[in-house]
Amino acid sequence: QVQLQQSGPGLVKPSQTLSLTCAISGDSVSSNSAAWNWIRQSPSRGLEWLGRTYYRSKWYSDYAVSVKGRITINPDTSKNQFSLQLNSVTPEDTAVYYCAISRDGSRQYFQYWGQGTLVTVSS
Amino acid sequence: DIVMTQSPDSLAVSLGERATINCKSSQTVLYTSNNKNYLAWYQQKPGQPPKLLIYWASIRESGVPDRFNGSGSGTDFTLTISSLQAEDVAVYYCQQYYSTPWTFGQGTRVEIK
Repeated sequence: QVQLQQSGPGLVKPSQTLSLTCAISGDSVSSNSAAWNWIRQSPSRGLEWLGRTYYRSKWYSDYAVSVKGRITINPDTSKNQFSLQLNSVTPEDTAVYYCAISRDGSRQYFQYWGQGTLVTVSS
Repeated sequence: DIVMTQSPDSLAVSLGERATINCKSSQTVLYTSNNKNYLAWYQQKPGQPPKLLIYWASIRESGVPDRFNGSGSGTDFTLTISSLQAEDVAVYYCQQYYSTPWTFGQGTRVEIK
């Protein structure tokens, strides 16, 4: 069974960069049959998929339009983890952030989730 | 984007009774080439991440009790809890994975009457 362990700060100042990491056990970030996602949840926006990275002979990433231009999701093969960076944050980015795994091809439901990290954007 | 709308927003059901949650998508999530509905259901309890219950609209994830059943096709789907147990108190979400961005319903809160 895959386990995902999140880490990162819970408080970020406006205009700065939100950075979170998701460590993987029970699978490989370089797997050809998995995708590694970030999802957030807030009272105002509900559950919102932010983006994913995955390896299919080379690395791919795709992002939600709502955060495109501000978001980067990167794999770290040396540590078997992946990260989220969200730039130029505002209080509207305050949310619980989750990492989650989906499988290959059409199986883009989220089978396992990290524990969640509450990130507050405030000065 | 495909908009997912759940109804009701909340419901209260007596222990042992049936709970029914509806989910409607703004466009079809049925892929006709394989006749599969790209629809999943999740359960979320307070302080926990969502837990996958059902995928392909009706396939129970391993370990999910058989009182949870998913049905529907195209744009209209239902999650039924056949005999509500105390541990089923939670918020339930549907999610489409037919096209990006993957989107979720707003959630339905299930409580004990």
